[in-house]
Amino acid sequence: DTEVTQTPKHLVMGMTNKKSLKCEQHMGHRAMYWYKQKAKKPPELMFVYSYEKLSINESVPSRFSPECPNSSLLNLHLHALQPEDSALYLCASSQHPGTSGSRNIQYFGAGTRLSVL
Amino acid sequence: GIQVEQSPPDLILQEGANSTLRCNFSDSVNNLQWFHQNPWGQLINLFYIPSGTKQNGRLSATTVATERYSLLYISSSQTTDSGVYFCAVEDEGGSRLTFGEGTQLTVNP
Repeated sequence: DTEVTQTPKHLVMGMTNKKSLKCEQHMGHRAMYWYKQKAKKPPELMFVYSYEKLSINESVPSRFSPECPNSSLLNLHLHALQPEDSALYLCASSQHPGTSGSRNIQYFGAGTRLSVL
Repeated sequence: GIQVEQSPPDLILQEGANSTLRCNFSDSVNNLQWFHQNPWGQLINLFYIPSGTKQNGRLSATTVATERYSLLYISSSQTTDSGVYFCAVEDEGGSRLTFGEGTQLTVNP
């Protein structure tokens, strides 16, 4: 099983709302990632969690707040977003961060399509 | 950081045709993955191929690490092959994937 599950699939929110995106994997992976993808562009890395600790933050605005409550779950808390934050948000996981070989293959969820009004 | 270039940016084929997609990268890599992104946004793993050659049905891929390029071959294309194909690499010692800009493939019936 190489499944990464993201909820919700679609989200519409106003600029004053607070919402959360959820990502779950049960493959025993110890690295989890958030990516943002705008239309007709490649995914861009936002955050990396390695063994439940934040290891990479790609200078993402503080209105995006990641959380990794345990090794299977990754959340992205959203607050006071702007219309330009509308995008597809992708979660991924890999077995062992920073290793060589097939253990660093990243598996992606289906994404949450976010619209900010 | 590592640079990734994919070509061509767009490709239109008739069903049944063959195609070759290219990915050039600027540094030694730990990880190279090819993905197909379907119209709903799902990134589907096609190959993990930092070096060598692999085949999976009508798809095959070759990476020549010493020359810093990878090729994805699609044979007897079908309309369901349409979508965006991404190459993504992770440099040695890194823990992040860097994506190319993708190749938009359209297969017409």
